[in-house]
Amino acid sequence: AQSVTQPDIHITVSEGASLELRCNYSYGATPYLFWYVQSPGQGLQLLLKYFSGDTLVQGIKGFEAEFKRSQSSFNLRKPSVHWSDAAEYFCAVGRGSQGNLIFGKGTKLSVKP
Amino acid sequence: DTEVTQTPKHLVMGMTNKKSLKCEQHMGHRAMYWYKQKAKKPPELMFVYSYEKLSINESVPSRFSPECPNSSLLNLHLHALQPEDSALYLCASSQVQLAGGGRHEQFFGPGTRLTVL
Repeated sequence: AQSVTQPDIHITVSEGASLELRCNYSYGATPYLFWYVQSPGQGLQLLLKYFSGDTLVQGIKGFEAEFKRSQSSFNLRKPSVHWSDAAEYFCAVGRGSQGNLIFGKGTKLSVKP
Repeated sequence: DTEVTQTPKHLVMGMTNKKSLKCEQHMGHRAMYWYKQKAKKPPELMFVYSYEKLSINESVPSRFSPECPNSSLLNLHLHALQPEDSALYLCASSQVQLAGGGRHEQFFGPGTRLTVL
């Protein structure tokens, strides 16, 4: 069965430091992969997506992610974190033909001044 | 317009009440979704509508009744809820595609925070 694992429940980084959030997926075929961000009490905002092609994808707010098929990973990165990046981050994989999204459990990002 | 709107933002209801959540999008999407999100958990899919027809019901209790009156609107009717139904209810929409990942690229609304007393 398809699944998504985000190994880190909570990460704290200093403002201006680099960030990498990990995501591993389990899926038989070429996956459709997504990263969403959720601020407290808010909906989910799509940061970036991978369908096919170039394995390094650029998203909004300066985020990027790299698809590595050999490692079944789709890690999210940002070179310099801003205090406003503090939020919950969800990795997701698309499953089936009806648009099902399978979400990881999320990683909470805290940013130290 | 790339926005999904949801009303109300907050809702408090008793276990005997009947209420409805509303979701609207004007992106021309023909697939719409309801998710339930408990605190500190990821969203869980409840229902999927494609071309205004219910295509997925993830074994949701009958006290939740979805309705898609037209291609832009999605409602969730609530009746006789339990306190454990308290959660953030998220609506999303996407294109309907037979191939590629566009079907999975979902745009979410801000959610309705539901509290059942």
